[in-house]
Amino acid sequence: QQQVKQSPQSLIVQKGGISIINCAYENTAFDYFPWYQQFPGKGPALLIAIRPDVSEKKEGRFTISFNKSAKQFSLHIMDSQPGDSATYFCAASRDRGSTLGRLYFGRGTQLTVWP
Amino acid sequence: ETGVTQSPTHLIKTRGQQVTLRCSSQSGHNTVSWYQQALGQGPQFIFQYYREEENGRGNFPPRFSGLQFPNYSSELNVNALELDDSALYLCASSFGSSIYNEQFFGPGTRLTVL
Repeated sequence: QQQVKQSPQSLIVQKGGISIINCAYENTAFDYFPWYQQFPGKGPALLIAIRPDVSEKKEGRFTISFNKSAKQFSLHIMDSQPGDSATYFCAASRDRGSTLGRLYFGRGTQLTVWP
Repeated sequence: ETGVTQSPTHLIKTRGQQVTLRCSSQSGHNTVSWYQQALGQGPQFIFQYYREEENGRGNFPPRFSGLQFPNYSSELNVNALELDDSALYLCASSFGSSIYNEQFFGPGTRLTVL
């Protein structure tokens, strides 16, 4: 059972455009929502993360929007650059109980930014 | 500061064999988590070790086992390999088991089971 659903599977954006990746979750106990970026041959690296007590978090060109009532969150990449071409994973976790420390990942979105 | 390293980089085994994958955690980190990433999928949690004790396990059969050593490096052992075990195996280290402590991933070991 996929705990976190991610879309789209692939995304092609022109340089300077906005890339938007969406995720949805079912478990209302989740209280931590990170996004990871993975380049070929590398492990995932934390990009930005949000907790459900805020609706938006921005770091540079990257913004997470969080909608607690809809159980959805999204990553927006402003002014997308060719160097942003990578696979992006959303994830969710909770910091208590038997699933402590476990990240539940979406299936990933392969982003290609054309110059 | 040395990041997370994994060995070997690539490995080819046949069905029924056993394999051991190794992970050296980042300096100062006492927690290691292992994930399986099938081709085109997101990583799936296998288990976590905190201060040499298993601290949570995902939906993987007992033939997946692990160890954490006093220097906090870790091993993942898989017995009776099956074709579906072919995947990228990632380890991630962090300081403490709280999810709010960033997990730093290694580059992974690519396992192919023939």
